[in-house]
Amino acid sequence: EVQLVESGGGLVRPGGSLRLSCAASGFSFSTYGMNWVRQAPGKGPEWVSYIGSSGSATHYADSVRGRFTISRDNPKNSLYLQMNSLRVEDTAMYYCARATKSGYDSWGQGTLVTVSS
Amino acid sequence: EIVMTQSPATLSVSPGERATLSCRASQSVSNNLAWYQQKPGQAPRLLIYGASTRATGIPARFSGSGSGTEFTLTISSLQSEDFAVYYCQHYDDWPRWTFGQGTKVEIK
Repeated sequence: EVQLVESGGGLVRPGGSLRLSCAASGFSFSTYGMNWVRQAPGKGPEWVSYIGSSGSATHYADSVRGRFTISRDNPKNSLYLQMNSLRVEDTAMYYCARATKSGYDSWGQGTLVTVSS
Repeated sequence: EIVMTQSPATLSVSPGERATLSCRASQSVSNNLAWYQQKPGQAPRLLIYGASTRATGIPARFSGSGSGTEFTLTISSLQSEDFAVYYCQHYDDWPRWTFGQGTKVEIK
């Protein structure tokens, strides 16, 4: 069974930093591209970032480019999101999600990030 | 960016009745369209991909149709566990896949 478990969320002041983690199990992690997707309260999900299976390819939404960095550690079956210069509008539930050719087929339970003074 | 627009925002339906949800793309996405179900406190769950193919384990009462810019999700006979928020999402412009704002299906 595919399992994705996020951690690292919390309350942070504007301008602060957080590092999210996602522990993967139940599938061959090193063969899949992975994503971070966030969802602000009462809104639809929003793609944030993608990393290729080897880690060499990365992509970011315009809203986070230059502030967030995605990375992965395949031997540890782990995905990360380093978030710097956080803004109030970054407040959301952050999910790691496995993408196939047909959408996001597996999601974690999410970790909540709240940016507030 | 491809904008996905869902209607209605809220749909009130009695158990056992049919529910029809709509999704429109700002430009053609061919059949690169997925539907997700989200219940309170849970992550979205993939229901339909390729506009009309049910994901593994999804009951036959869920069906999808459409192509290009107009899509429909139909729930043929609503069960109690189907009351939730439904999102459409295109996967035509990789990796910038965008979601609609959702349709909440509530008990009438």
